[in-house]
Amino acid sequence: QKEVEQNSGPLSVPEGAIASLNCTYSDRGSQSFFWYRQYSGKSPELIMSIYSNGDKEDGRFTAQLNKASQYVSLLIRDSQPSDSATYLCARGKSTFGDGTTLTVKP
Amino acid sequence: DTGVSQNPRHKITKRGQNVTFRCDPISEHNRLYWYRQTLGQGPEFLTYFQNEAQLEKSRLLSDRFSAERPKGSFSTLEIQRTEQGDSAMYLCASSDKPPGFYGYTFGSGTRLTVV
Repeated sequence: QKEVEQNSGPLSVPEGAIASLNCTYSDRGSQSFFWYRQYSGKSPELIMSIYSNGDKEDGRFTAQLNKASQYVSLLIRDSQPSDSATYLCARGKSTFGDGTTLTVKP
Repeated sequence: DTGVSQNPRHKITKRGQNVTFRCDPISEHNRLYWYRQTLGQGPEFLTYFQNEAQLEKSRLLSDRFSAERPKGSFSTLEIQRTEQGDSAMYLCASSDKPPGFYGYTFGSGTRLTVV
């Protein structure tokens, strides 16, 4: 079992919809979590970080952390075709999931 | 451009040859990280420097791999006697904050193909 698990997808949503990306982790001691966006052929780009239980909002993005259930999620509201990318969940400094590929269809 | 710079962008080498990659972090960032990423997988941590000190190395970093950051600025990653399994994107990231609690800025990566 990987330390950070993500559904590989692909996840397809229509333009304007809410995209929901999920991540589970195995280490209960984990304290910090990150979401990176990676366009095809490009390097990862940090979009959200979360450390406390609950929700954290930044523009169209909301990260959710539930330490009791050991999951992290990323919601993208009003999805745009430009959001089409692979989204990587990461724990701490060294553990990434394999990413979920999101396609937003016009 | 004040981002993380990596050179070369692409490298094709024959099996058994040595290769060296360079990373120039954001100038005020004293922490530097190397990752490796293969198609369809997330980045795998290789090693971490704070200034010139190499503080952590992954078990993935076999003895064919060596990384340096001699003056606490740029870093090099060398792979000796390359194997086809070394083909991957090698990513460098930097930060000015302690590891694990803040995200990183990644460079564009060096794509290595071993033929």
